[in-house]
Amino acid sequence: QKEVEQDPGPLSVPEGAIVSLNCTYSNSAFQYFMWYRQYSRKGPELLMYTYSSGNKEDGRFTAQVDKSSKYISLFIRDSQPSDSATYLCAMFANQFYFGTGTSLTVIP
Amino acid sequence: KAGVTQTPRYLIKTRGQQVTLSCSPISGHRSVSWYQQTPGQGLQFLFEYFSETQRNKGNFPGRFSGRQFSNSRSEMNVSTLELGDSALYLCASSGGGQGWSGEKLFFGSGTQLSVL
Repeated sequence: QKEVEQDPGPLSVPEGAIVSLNCTYSNSAFQYFMWYRQYSRKGPELLMYTYSSGNKEDGRFTAQVDKSSKYISLFIRDSQPSDSATYLCAMFANQFYFGTGTSLTVIP
Repeated sequence: KAGVTQTPRYLIKTRGQQVTLSCSPISGHRSVSWYQQTPGQGLQFLFEYFSETQRNKGNFPGRFSGRQFSNSRSEMNVSTLELGDSALYLCASSGGGQGWSGEKLFFGSGTQLSVL
């Protein structure tokens, strides 16, 4: 079983929709939780960084961590075509572990 | 502030050859880590360097090695290339601090390696 599981999609939504991206994990030692956005032929770009359970909001993005269920989510409100990218979840316990990424397309 | 710089952007090699990739971290960052990204496996951790010392290592064979220089720049070497080594190799830098405590990683654009 992989340390971090992420549905690869692809996910296709109309512009303005609310997008929900999720990851599950098995290692209860994970303490730091991150979401990265990766455009084609580019490196991942840090979007959200959280330490504890709960919600963290930054503009149109909300990160949610539920340690009891070992489940993290990223919500994107009012999605835009520029949000079309691959979204990677990541977690840290001695080293970083990444999900395989969810490909998102926002259709104008 | 300049971001993480990786060179070259693209490389084509043949099986059995060796390759060296270079990474310049963000100014002031002392930790450099390397990752291999493939469509099937996603991002996999190779190793992490801090102050010229390898602090952490992933589960890759000894053909994959790295080093860090006194100015924090890092190189990664892959010897005896195999077809399965074709991937995007990403370098990331972070402050480093006292131990690798999950600080924010900042990635370069990567080196796309194709092994023929």
